[in-house]
Amino acid sequence: GAVVSQHPSWVICKSGTSVKIECRSLDFQATTMFWYRQFPKQSLMLMATSNEGSKATYEQGVEKDKFLINHASLTLSTLTVTSAHPEDSSFYICSARDGQLEVYEQYFGPGTRLTVT
Amino acid sequence: ILNVEQSPQSLHVQEGDSTNFTCSFPSSNFYALHWYRWETAKSPEALFVMTLNGDEKKKGRISATLNTKEGYSYLYIKGSQPEDSATYLCAFKGSQGNLIFGKGTKLSVKP
Repeated sequence: GAVVSQHPSWVICKSGTSVKIECRSLDFQATTMFWYRQFPKQSLMLMATSNEGSKATYEQGVEKDKFLINHASLTLSTLTVTSAHPEDSSFYICSARDGQLEVYEQYFGPGTRLTVT
Repeated sequence: ILNVEQSPQSLHVQEGDSTNFTCSFPSSNFYALHWYRWETAKSPEALFVMTLNGDEKKKGRISATLNTKEGYSYLYIKGSQPEDSATYLCAFKGSQGNLIFGKGTKLSVKP
């Protein structure tokens, strides 16, 4: 149980275009979803937290107009990187927490490698 | 700024060796310490969630200890196998915050 999928697993896009990444909880209802970013040789850094049906809370330094997060249902959250630039190239990974399960646990997707050319 | 440090950064061992690595974290406002095992191209897999000072947890050949007063946790692997090769992440959760991750320890086990 507690499986999180992420799509696509990798994407290459041109500078200036937008890219959407999907995160789905497959066998539980994700009341809260988290989006992280990891640059090479760095740790996973939280970008934003979203609760189903409400606006995402962004961490300091993360542009909310550039990284659009939608958590419209209990099983799906999307991250859209708008007007992508080469410096947005990174590894993006989501995690989900089920409010009915143990409060400590977050379940991760396998991540999306974004390359902006 | 809250900092979580893991050491070593990478580790190469022979099959059958036992090994351990360290996670250090802030000793104030502690809520939980998570360990994850992350294989390439897969999702990070939760190993342990530790909440109490002195906690010791075990899953098969893998075990972990927790010292919240001095701010460190050890992860031990007994009799390493090639399938143990992965990056091991720890993450600190403070009483009012989200998970803060270390950079991980990359373990390679040679057959």
